[in-house]
Amino acid sequence: KQEVTQIPAALSVPEGENLVLNCSFTDSAIYNLQWFRQDPGKGLTSLLLIQSSQREQTSGRLNASLDKSSGRSTLYIAASQPGDSATYLCAVRPIKAAGNKLTFGGGTRVLVKP
Amino acid sequence: DAGVTQSPTHLIKTRGQQVTLRCSPKSGHDTVSWYQQALGQGPQFIFQYYEEEERQRGNFPDRFSGHQFPNYSSELNVNALLLGDSALYLCASSLRYSSYEQYFGPGTRLTVT
Repeated sequence: KQEVTQIPAALSVPEGENLVLNCSFTDSAIYNLQWFRQDPGKGLTSLLLIQSSQREQTSGRLNASLDKSSGRSTLYIAASQPGDSATYLCAVRPIKAAGNKLTFGGGTRVLVKP
Repeated sequence: DAGVTQSPTHLIKTRGQQVTLRCSPKSGHDTVSWYQQALGQGPQFIFQYYEEEERQRGNFPDRFSGHQFPNYSSELNVNALLLGDSALYLCASSLRYSSYEQYFGPGTRLTVT
């Protein structure tokens, strides 16, 4: 059974500092990994999708890496801003699944202080 | 192009009642998945519908049931509500055989009193 863990559960940094968010998964047989952002009480916004054959994916200040063999992904957010304050969730999709079921981690709650 | 929409936004029900939540997928998507997110936790997979049939199911009791219509929209029904069913219910849409990302709706906040 796939298990996804995100450590730390919460993180507080001063504005301008780089953010490093970690995600680990127990079964390396994944199809892809997706990072999401969630504002309080809201739905999920997709940030980056990394296919299992990729090592990293970049979008603006965001960069996500994937090491499938060690079961790890890291989301980097450069030069953090107060608007980056949110909960960040990672989710993995299993390979050759009957459908598109995602298994989520518990999330990392980020606070960027001005 | 409208993304994933869900209704209602908020809902308050009493223990033992029944509730129906609705989801319209992103245009062009054929697969709808439902997730339950308790406060402070990551979403948990409930089930997934494709071609109007339940294709995958998570570890949820039979009180949770669903339906998919020919236009790909979907409903989630929960019977005999418990206090523990209070959560944010999220709908996600995707293309079944695509490697592309899944899109989530804004969710329905269900409170059971």
